Amino acid sequence: GEDVEQSLFLSVREGDSSVINCTYTDSSSTYLYWYKQEPGAGLQLLTYIFSNMDMKQDQRLTVLLNKKDKHLSLRIADTQTGDSAIYFCAESMSDSGYALNFGKGTSLLVTP
Amino acid sequence: DAGVTQSPTHLIKTRGQQVTLRCSPKSGHDTVSWYQQALGQGPQFIFQYYEEEERQRGNFPDRFSGHQFPNYSSELNVNALLLGDSALYLCASSSRDRGDTEAFFGQGTRLTVV
Repeated sequence: GEDVEQSLFLSVREGDSSVINCTYTDSSSTYLYWYKQEPGAGLQLLTYIFSNMDMKQDQRLTVLLNKKDKHLSLRIADTQTGDSAIYFCAESMSDSGYALNFGKGTSLLVTP
Repeated sequence: DAGVTQSPTHLIKTRGQQVTLRCSPKSGHDTVSWYQQALGQGPQFIFQYYEEEERQRGNFPDRFSGHQFPNYSSELNVNALLLGDSALYLCASSSRDRGDTEAFFGQGTRLTVV
């Protein structure tokens, strides 16, 4: 698919909020996802949002969706050192099946 | 629940050889998708299997083929391996019948082609 764009790197201090941004490509994407990948590991689904929603909150995670601008963001409140990982934004490529189009990932570094 | 399991975890092959990777989906899931993740990149969709048939395919050559078994497990086969096939191969499972929106990933198979 076309490119899902993410900034490559973000560094924050422990206890601060982190905001990871993503621009997706397909205005007909039904669902948009955030996955977390720790070194040497597979992908962990963090949260997802349906395209008719503007916001979704799940404990420390807040997802904001601006469908007009095809912009998705993930805010992590009270960021901890254990949150250091690569975060991938992904869009569903069709309504049926779950083929996902991923960005290149944002590497989040949390410093004490 | 063991979640999505993949085997082997690591594999080294020589150029021109063939390789088979295996995936067991999460209990209750009927759909398996395969992704290739090159170093420093996001996962790229290879194909998806449902009801033992390939339902969707990404931009990968015919050297990449797959299979799904009646118990929903799946294999990914790559023929005539190239150095550029070195990557982490990820399997994801989901439930099309239940209309679930979540895809769960395994830990991946790290393939190195030398």
